[in-house]
Amino acid sequence: AQKITQTQPGMFVQEKEAVTLDCTYDTSDQSYGLFWYKQPSSGEMIFLIYQGSYDEQNATEGRYSLNFQKARKSANLVISASQLGDSAMYFCAMRGGFTSGTYKYIFGTGTRLKVLA
Amino acid sequence: GAGVSQSPSNKVTEKGKDVELRCDPISGHTALYWYRQSLGQGLEFLIYFQGNSAPDKSGLPSDRFSAERTGGSVSTLTIQRTQQEDSAVYLCASSLTGGNNEQFFGPGTRLTVL
Repeated sequence: AQKITQTQPGMFVQEKEAVTLDCTYDTSDQSYGLFWYKQPSSGEMIFLIYQGSYDEQNATEGRYSLNFQKARKSANLVISASQLGDSAMYFCAMRGGFTSGTYKYIFGTGTRLKVLA
Repeated sequence: GAGVSQSPSNKVTEKGKDVELRCDPISGHTALYWYRQSLGQGLEFLIYFQGNSAPDKSGLPSDRFSAERTGGSVSTLTIQRTQQEDSAVYLCASSLTGGNNEQFFGPGTRLTVL
C-alpha cells in the first residue's frame, strides 16, 4: 500500500530563515513521483516542485528544493529565505506507478507553516 | 490563458438530493483528476481521466459517486442521494499528460449537505 506521512502539523520560521518540511513515503512501485503543493488560506493549490524516483539530482525551483533520500524514503521540502507570503499549508504527494490503466495520487495530511516577521 | 474552472463554487443541498459538479480543464490538457478535501484535511484522490477514459473507479467513496468526461474536456462528478458526510470541497485538476506533469487545480466546489 502507498502512504505519505507528514509528521509536522505546524511549523514556525523566522522571516529570511530556511525551513525544512518533512515528508516520508512508502510504496512498492519502482517508478513513482513526488510532489509538493502549497495551499494558502485562499484555498487554491499551487504546485511547487516535482521529483521523479529515477532522478539522481535533487529538484530545485527557485527558493524551493527537494531533499530526496531514496533509501530512507524521504522527500523533504526546503524553503530558503522564508517570506511572509510563504505562510500556508504545504502538502507532500506521491504519484504511484501506472497500473490498471491509471495513476493514483495520495496526499499527506499537510504541514501548516507560519512565517514570523 | 484560462485556468481550470469549476462550477458551482458553492452548493448547498438537502440530504438525499443528487448534485452535479462540473470541471472545465485547461485547454489541451489530456489528464483530469478529481479530489475531495474535507475540512482541515489533506486531499483524497477520487479518480483520474486520461482523455475520456477512467479505467479505475476504486477511489470513488461509494457507488453513489460517478464521474464522466466527454470530448476529452469537461468532466462532471455526480453524487446521488447525498449524505452529510459528503460535505467537503471537491477539487478538480488537469495536467498536460498523466504522470509527471504538474497538476493545475481549480478553485473547488464547496458542497454542504444539510
